[in-house]
Amino acid sequence: NAGVTQTPKFQVLKTGQSMTLQCAQDMNHEYMSWYRQDPGMGLRLIHYSVGAGITDQGEVPNGYNVSRSTTEDFPLRLLSAAPSQTSVYFCASSYSGTGRATNEKLFFGSGTQLSVL
Amino acid sequence: AQTVTQSQPEMSVQEAETVTLSCTYDTSESNYYLFWYKQPPSRQMILVIRQEAYKQQNATENRFSVNFQKAAKSFSLKISDSQLGDTAMYFCAFMILNNDMRFGAGTRLTVKP
Repeated sequence: NAGVTQTPKFQVLKTGQSMTLQCAQDMNHEYMSWYRQDPGMGLRLIHYSVGAGITDQGEVPNGYNVSRSTTEDFPLRLLSAAPSQTSVYFCASSYSGTGRATNEKLFFGSGTQLSVL
Repeated sequence: AQTVTQSQPEMSVQEAETVTLSCTYDTSESNYYLFWYKQPPSRQMILVIRQEAYKQQNATENRFSVNFQKAAKSFSLKISDSQLGDTAMYFCAFMILNNDMRFGAGTRLTVKP
């Protein structure tokens, strides 16, 4: 099982460039989410989705767009990259996202290190 | 607002000793879930232990256990018989039922031989 797959693992952008971070899961999970990890701040939720066609904002959504056209994929788009978006990005998924299912947990991808110059 | 506070940015422990990592949280919700995640240098996020807020019994997973004090909104992690492989960042997190999961800033644990 591949689990949660993120690509690319590393990326360098110039200010103003756009790019898409890819995330795919093969566990038929309904819930998918994007986090950013900054030193001293832990992980902060950017956007999440509870199923295909449904997305919602998290704690720090500004500057990011998402869509969920299939259950498997949940790409994160940066339309005009800024140095403040330099961070490590994690995609995560779970069965329902509510935690109600016994032993439900988030499965994380391996992260994308993004630098915006 | 839901917040998670880990007041110990860094900790160290001797191999085979016991260490406790602190976590407090703030929420007005009565039903939620608490987690400890481990992040080794590989950057992979690994679930260590999970606790349902409606359960009074503290969760345990082998050498890992929690002390859950709901009234005090405290959720500490105890690691017994520390091993070199326990060296990592540890994140406390909680999730309320609208899928909003919040993480603390993390505690960097170093296990010394």
